[in-house]
Amino acid sequence: QKEVEQDPGPLSVPEGAIVSLNCTYSNSAFQYFMWYRQYSRKGPELLMYTYSSGNKEDGRFTAQVDKSSKYISLFIRDSQPSDSATYLCAMTLGTGANNLFFGTGTRLTVIP
Amino acid sequence: NAGVTQTPKFQVLKTGQSMTLQCAQDMNHNSMYWYRQDPGMGLRLIYYSASEGTTDKGEVPNGYNVSRLNKREFSLRLESAAPSQTSVYFCASSIWNTEAFFGQGTRLTVV
Repeated sequence: QKEVEQDPGPLSVPEGAIVSLNCTYSNSAFQYFMWYRQYSRKGPELLMYTYSSGNKEDGRFTAQVDKSSKYISLFIRDSQPSDSATYLCAMTLGTGANNLFFGTGTRLTVIP
Repeated sequence: NAGVTQTPKFQVLKTGQSMTLQCAQDMNHNSMYWYRQDPGMGLRLIYYSASEGTTDKGEVPNGYNVSRLNKREFSLRLESAAPSQTSVYFCASSIWNTEAFFGQGTRLTVV
C-alpha cells in the first residue's frame, strides 16, 4: 500500500466550476500537508501548505485537512483555464529527512 | 532570487555515456533532493542530502551517484546511462523536513 493515494484523473471541468482534488494517506504521523501545482514541462510549484487539521484559504484556493479520516482536499473556486495543470499532494512527518511523500498527481483541465 | 536552478534543461545521451546533472539553491536550505518523474509513477526519490556533508539513498538509487558539494550545490551523476534512465529529473531543496521547492527539471533521453 502506498503511503499517499491520489486519483490520477484526468479531470475536466468548465470554466467557473468548483474543483475538488483529494488525497488519502495511511500514516497517522504525518504533520505537514502540501499541494503543488505542476504545469506541463515545468517543475512542481508549492501552492498551499498547512499544518494540522482544518482549513486554510488563499484566494480561490482552500486546503482542507481531516486527520481523523486521513484525508486532504484542495478546492478551487471559480476555476480558470490557467488552473489547468497537474496537482500533487504531499505530506511529511516533520522530523528527520526523507520523510516527504507525494501523491502521483491529478491532471486537471479547465475548459473555457 | 533564483530559487533552485538545474542545468542542463535537456540532454540526449547514448547508452553507456556518463553525465552529471547540476543543481544549486540560493535559499540557504539544509536539505536537498533528487527526484525522477515518469508517467504514471509520480515523483520518486533517488537520493537526498539532509545537510551539508551527508547523502542517503532514496527509493530508486541504482545507477546513480550524488555529491553534496557545499550547502548550495547537489549534483547527480549517471556513470553509465541506460534507456531505463530516460526521465525528467527534478532537484528540490527544503529548510528541513517541511515544504520543498523544486527546480525546473532536466529532461533526459537515453538512446
